Amino acid sequence: DQQVKQNSPSLSVQEGRISILNCDYTNSMFDYFLWYKKYPAEGPTFLISISSIKDKNEDGRFTVFLNKSAKHLSLHIVPSQPGDSAVYFCAASAFPDKLIFGTGTRLQVFP
Amino acid sequence: EAGVAQSPRYKIIEKRQSVAFWCNPISGHATLYWYQQILGQGPKLLIQFQNNGVVDDSQLPKDRFSAERLKGVDSTLKIQPAKLEDSAVYLCASSTRTARSPLHFGNGTRLTVT
Repeated sequence: DQQVKQNSPSLSVQEGRISILNCDYTNSMFDYFLWYKKYPAEGPTFLISISSIKDKNEDGRFTVFLNKSAKHLSLHIVPSQPGDSAVYFCAASAFPDKLIFGTGTRLQVFP
Repeated sequence: EAGVAQSPRYKIIEKRQSVAFWCNPISGHATLYWYQQILGQGPKLLIQFQNNGVVDDSQLPKDRFSAERLKGVDSTLKIQPAKLEDSAVYLCASSTRTARSPLHFGNGTRLTVT
């Protein structure tokens, strides 16, 4: 039973445009959500998080939106840059339980 | 600050052999995690330590996997005997607290079992 789903394995976006990465979850007890970015041969690095008491959190070019009724969150990157090309994982937890990761979306930003 | 250190970076073994991975977390981080990431999947938690005590090992295959964290700092993860399906990247992570703190990951050990 996959509680966190990233249904798009890959996404290709032109430099300067918006990248939108999506994530769906099934466990209504999840109350904390995070996005991690992973480059090849490196470990995931924390990008941005959001608590269930909010519906939006912004950090520079990165914005995470949470729709609790739809059990859906998305990561917006504006504007996209070639250095954003990586695999993006969403993760969720229900305090005090462990983080559950999605399967990842590979983003490619081309010139 | 220095990141999470892991060694070795790569390991190739035959099935039924044993292997050990080492992790040194960020200084001062009380919580340490071992994750298994199989190709095409997200990281899956194997075991979580708080200082040198185990918080969660519900997904650790205890018949073949073991882990310890001596003195609440470094940790080792061992597989004995290895199976083909253990081929994966083993990631160590640390954090200052539990689920609400972002995890800091090491670069992982890529294990290939032949």
